[in-house]
Amino acid sequence: GAVVSQHPSRVICKSGTSVKIECRSLDFQATTMFWYRQFPKKSLMLMATSNEGSKATYEQGVEKDKFLINHASLTLSTLTVTSAHPEDSSFYICSARTEGMTSSSYNEQFFGPGTRLTVL
Amino acid sequence: AQSVTQPDIHITVSEGASLELRCNYSYGATPYLFWYVQSPGQGLQLLLKYFSGDTLVQGIKGFEAEFKRSQSSFNLRKPSVHWSDAAEYFCAVAYGQNFVFGPGTRLSVLP
Repeated sequence: GAVVSQHPSRVICKSGTSVKIECRSLDFQATTMFWYRQFPKKSLMLMATSNEGSKATYEQGVEKDKFLINHASLTLSTLTVTSAHPEDSSFYICSARTEGMTSSSYNEQFFGPGTRLTVL
Repeated sequence: AQSVTQPDIHITVSEGASLELRCNYSYGATPYLFWYVQSPGQGLQLLLKYFSGDTLVQGIKGFEAEFKRSQSSFNLRKPSVHWSDAAEYFCAVAYGQNFVFGPGTRLSVLP
C-alpha cells in the first residue's frame, strides 16, 4: 500500500512553454501533498504544501505564479511550471500524506518516483 | 531553526566493509526520524524510520539505525556493504507538520 505515482517521469520542453506534472496517490486518499525540488547532487527542498480543495502554501522564495499547484481531488495534485526556462530544469518529487493512515501520531509522507524536467 | 546535518558529503568504502553514515538533528523534542536512499536519477526509497520505542531500528537491505537522544543522532549502519549500495543517502526529520531533509551523503563502493 501507500503508493504514489508521478507522470511524466521525464519531460523535455522548449523555453517559454508550460509543463504539467501529475502526482497521484494510488491506494489511499491524500489530504495533503507536497512538492519538492532537487538540484543535481543536492538535497530536496520543499516548494509548497497543498491541501485538497484549498490554495497551496508556498515556501519562501518560491514563485507561486511560476509554479502553479492544484490539488483538486484526494488522489491528484498537479504542478504546472509556467513559461519554463532552463533554470527551471530540475528533478521534481511529490509526496502525499493522509490523516490517520498509520497508528502513530505522525502521518508519514510517501514519495513519488520523481519527474526529471529539462528545459532547452 | 530546526536543522538536519549529515557531516559526511561523500564516503567511499570497500565492498564487504562496514558502514556508518552520520545524522544529527536540532530540535527540542524527539522528532520522527527517517533514512532514505536515492539511486542516480531515481526517487526516494525509505530504508527505515523511528517513531518511538526501541532505539535500534531495523530496515530493509540489511540496514539499521540507532537513535541516541543524548547526542541528537540517528546514525545509519550496515555490517557489510554491497556494490549495489552505492547511492545517495538522506536523513530526514519530521516534527509537527514539517519534514526536513539533510544534505545527503554520497556512498561509493570499491570492488
